[in-house]
Amino acid sequence: GAVVSQHPSRVICKSGTSVKIECRSLDFQATTMFWYRQFPKQSLMLMATSNEGSKATYEQGVEKDKFLINHASLTLSTLTVTSAHPEDSSFYICSAGGGQLLYYTFGSGTRLTVV
Amino acid sequence: GQQLNQSPQSMFIQEGEDVSMNCTSSSIFNTWLWYKQDPGEGPVLLIALYKAGELTSNGRLTAQFGTTRKDSFLNISASIPSDVGIYFCAGQRRKTSYDKVIFGPGTSLSVIP
Repeated sequence: GAVVSQHPSRVICKSGTSVKIECRSLDFQATTMFWYRQFPKQSLMLMATSNEGSKATYEQGVEKDKFLINHASLTLSTLTVTSAHPEDSSFYICSAGGGQLLYYTFGSGTRLTVV
Repeated sequence: GQQLNQSPQSMFIQEGEDVSMNCTSSSIFNTWLWYKQDPGEGPVLLIALYKAGELTSNGRLTAQFGTTRKDSFLNISASIPSDVGIYFCAGQRRKTSYDKVIFGPGTSLSVIP
């Protein structure tokens, strides 16, 4: 149980375009989802926390207008990277928790390359 | 802010050897988690610790929650090539999946056959 699916696994986009990444909890209701980014050879840095039906809480230094997070249902959260630039190229990972879960489960990540 | 330190940063060991890595924090955590990440994948939970002093095993892995609640260690016995990867410690202030998880910088493990 507690499976989180993330899509797409890889995406290449042109500079200036927007990219949407989906995170789905497949077998549980995820009241809380977290979005991380990870640069090569670095740790996971929390970007934002999203709770179903409410606005996301962003970590300090993360631009909320650039990284739009929507958590409209208990099984789906999306991260949209708007007007992407090469420096936004990174590995984005979601995780989800909720219900009786004591810990949360990670998706398999999305490798974003902006050219 | 909350910060975790992990040591060593990287390790190169022979297959069959035991491995020990640890994690320290400047502040108290009430949950300690150990994850393994393979290249291009999300982290996978190895062990979760919920009580100070707790010692928990998962196969060849053993982890302990330090009594001060500011540290934890992970041991891997009789390492095998598939143990290769990045090991992250992580902490939560509260015992709930609603609370954000803070990650350490990771320990890179290489196993020489």
